[in-house]
Amino acid sequence: DQQVKQNSPSLSVQEGRISILNCDYTNSMFDYFLWYKKYPAEGPTFLISISSIKDKNEDGRFTVFLNKSAKHLSLHIVPSQPGDSAVYFCAASLDSNYQLIWGAGTKLIIKP
Amino acid sequence: KAGVTQTPRYLIKTRGQQVTLSCSPISGHRSVSWYQQTPGQGLQFLFEYFSETQRNKGNFPGRFSGRQFSNSRSEMNVSTLELGDSALYLCASSLELAGSKNIQYFGAGTRLSVL
Repeated sequence: DQQVKQNSPSLSVQEGRISILNCDYTNSMFDYFLWYKKYPAEGPTFLISISSIKDKNEDGRFTVFLNKSAKHLSLHIVPSQPGDSAVYFCAASLDSNYQLIWGAGTKLIIKP
Repeated sequence: KAGVTQTPRYLIKTRGQQVTLSCSPISGHRSVSWYQQTPGQGLQFLFEYFSETQRNKGNFPGRFSGRQFSNSRSEMNVSTLELGDSALYLCASSLELAGSKNIQYFGAGTRLSVL
């Protein structure tokens, strides 16, 4: 049972435009969500997070939106840059359990 | 502050052998989690250790085991290797202060190839 789903395996975006990566979840008890970025042959690096008590969190070019009623979150990157080309994972956690539940990842390709 | 260190970076083994992977967490971090990543797959959770105790376990066979030492360093062992065990094995550590949220910091991984 996949509790965190990233339905787009890949996404191609023009440099300078907005990239929108989506993530859906099934467990309404998740209370914290994270986005990680991963380059080939490296471990994932933490990008941005959001608590379930918020609906938006911003950090520079990166903004995460949370829609609890739809059990959906999205990561917006504006403007997209070539260095943003990577695999993006979303993850969720329950307050009572520190384990993170991961999506399958979306490969973002920024075209020059 | 040094990041999460995984050794070795690359490993080649043959079917039936066993392998031990090592992970040194960020200084002060007490939780260590292990993941398996295969091409096209997300991060598959193996297990998590906290204060030398296995706190969470994923759906992997008993051939996969781990342990954590008193200095928080962790090892992962895979016995009777199969071709399907070829993957990138990632270790992550987190601080886990009371009231803080679980941000995991990853090592670069160990790339295991089973021939």
